[in-house]
Amino acid sequence: NAGVTQTPKFQVLKTGQSMTLQCAQDMNHNSMYWYRQDPGMGLRLIYYSASEGTTDKGEVPNGYNVSRLNKREFSLRLESAAPSQTSVYFCASSEWTGIEKLFFGSGTQLSVL
Amino acid sequence: RKEVEQDPGPFNVPEGATVAFNCTYSNSASQSFFWYRQDCRKEPKLLMSVYSSGNEDGRFTAQLNRASQYISLLIRDSKLSDSATYLCVVNRGYIPTFGRGTSLIVHP
Repeated sequence: NAGVTQTPKFQVLKTGQSMTLQCAQDMNHNSMYWYRQDPGMGLRLIYYSASEGTTDKGEVPNGYNVSRLNKREFSLRLESAAPSQTSVYFCASSEWTGIEKLFFGSGTQLSVL
Repeated sequence: RKEVEQDPGPFNVPEGATVAFNCTYSNSASQSFFWYRQDCRKEPKLLMSVYSSGNEDGRFTAQLNRASQYISLLIRDSKLSDSATYLCVVNRGYIPTFGRGTSLIVHP
């Protein structure tokens, strides 16, 4: 089992460029999440999808969009990258929201110059 | 007040020591609680869930105090390999909310 797979692992963007972070899970989980982690800030929730077909904003959604493509895949898009979006991004999944433990992907280190 | 608060540390302890971390949460409606471990630049991994009655897994003991709204993690007989950042997670409804983490350094 691969668990949660994120791509790419590293990315460098120029200000204003766009990109999509991909996330897929093979555990038949219903809920998926995108977090960002900055030094000293812990993990902050960007968006989540409680179940296939639904998405909701988390704590820091500005500048991001998401798509729950199917039950397995949940992508995060930066339409116009800004230096403030330089961070480590983690995708996670859980069987259901809120109660169950989270399984994380290995993360994407994004730098916006 | 931040929803989930942890002392960032670092806690610097010798091998074999016992160390304890606390994590306070602000929302009394919080439903479930976890401790995660994160090694440098890696993804967080579940260490243990925290149950109302308290629970133990080897050298690790987790407790929940709903009245005072905090959870705790006790590590006995610390190993060098326990050096990591420990994140508490509090779930309220759909939102798993992370504390900023407590850094533990175990030295020889």
